[in-house]
Amino acid sequence: EAGVAQSPRYKIIEKRQSVAFWCNPISGHATLYWYQQILGQGPKLLIQFQNNGVVDDSQLPKDRFSAERLKGVDSTLKIQPAKLEDSAVYLCASSFTGTTEEQYFGPGTRLTVT
Amino acid sequence: SQQGEEDPQALSIQEGENATMNCSYKTSINNLQWYRQNSGRGLVHLILIRSNEREKHSGRLRVTLDTSKKSSSLLITASRAADTASYFCATAGAGGTSYGKLTFGQGTILTVHP
Repeated sequence: EAGVAQSPRYKIIEKRQSVAFWCNPISGHATLYWYQQILGQGPKLLIQFQNNGVVDDSQLPKDRFSAERLKGVDSTLKIQPAKLEDSAVYLCASSFTGTTEEQYFGPGTRLTVT
Repeated sequence: SQQGEEDPQALSIQEGENATMNCSYKTSINNLQWYRQNSGRGLVHLILIRSNEREKHSGRLRVTLDTSKKSSSLLITASRAADTASYFCATAGAGGTSYGKLTFGQGTILTVHP
């Protein structure tokens, strides 16, 4: 089966600019996650969708980050305006039911904010 | 905040040797999972051990879980150069708002020298 797709793979922007990342989960997976992974750290959950509804966005900086999952399939994560500390890899993952089973990760988008 | 703490932070061994990584956590869990991340790529699920299990095997991987000590270990036997990667433990919460939510540790960087 096809894995989780993400684009772009790399992005360089200046601070205060905006950026958007796209994710297409594994077909049939109801749950979609966005993680932020800062260099040298483990991934941190930003937002979790169940179908097209938000389950958990407690760690999403809502003043600058937004995410949507239209029609319960692919998803977009946006940052506006970007700050230097947003430099990280943004990982998208999906799972079948979103309970306690394993998650499948995409290759990530490496964002550099200068 | 990251629940899992991994030890050691970095491990360097020769091909053919065994590698052991440890993970400690703080709150009750439903299960504990181990993931591998090769340089610049997404995470790959390795193995899941449930809170009522004590040991699990998968190929050259052996995972143990001690819920009384809130700790787990991952043993990779007969390591290969291809095992060089970062290894992360992730805990799935047992209930309430943390149910099913994965919290990752900081990771152990494993280098296997040919």
